[in-house]
Amino acid sequence: DAMVIQNPRYQVTQFGKPVTLSCSQTLNHNVMYWYQQKSSQAPKLLFHYYDKDFNNEADTPDNFQSRRPNTSFCFLDIRSPGLGDAAMYLCATSRTNRDTKAFFGQGTRLTVV
Amino acid sequence: AQKITQTQPGMFVQEKEAVTLDCTYDTSDPSYGLFWYKQPSSGEMIFLIYQGSYDQQNATEGRYSLNFQKARKSANLVISASQLGDSAMYFCAMRDSGGGADGLTFGKGTHLIIQP
Repeated sequence: DAMVIQNPRYQVTQFGKPVTLSCSQTLNHNVMYWYQQKSSQAPKLLFHYYDKDFNNEADTPDNFQSRRPNTSFCFLDIRSPGLGDAAMYLCATSRTNRDTKAFFGQGTRLTVV
Repeated sequence: AQKITQTQPGMFVQEKEAVTLDCTYDTSDPSYGLFWYKQPSSGEMIFLIYQGSYDQQNATEGRYSLNFQKARKSANLVISASQLGDSAMYFCAMRDSGGGADGLTFGKGTHLIIQP
């Protein structure tokens, strides 16, 4: 059974139209991460939540926001998607921020037209 | 400065042969963790193996083993008896306390293709 679920698997959005990607987990983990992975590149951490504490990476554009309304769910909001935001977005969880394993969802592949 | 270096963009290997995927890392933190993930074309990142900086033994998980050479700052992944299903992208990653980031820093990956 999938433990980290991302919806949708594929998302097409228009240039400049806000879009939200969702992630849910059944592991009751404290930490949830969002990574951006552009074509043929390594995943890059955008931000993470440790419980309700939000931690933004220094070079994450302001266009990207996140919400975590409860332990199980975390959302990635892209306020005004540009063509350069087309990528695979990966959600991951871990029990603590020092855990030896992070569990990843299957990702959402975002296309901007 | 690049923290994780994977020097093999792509590799072709015959089925049933052993494979070594290279990874070197850079950190000044004495406490860190090293990870290998497999990413098939479907996109999901699949955890393979973990090595802590203080672990005395090299990590093993089934057909996967990690050749950890701390002095050289290398953490190569060895896959024994490769299978067609091993064809995928493989990422080496590290977690340390540098910069306050708690997430993983990934290398650029190695695209492994197993040939029959």
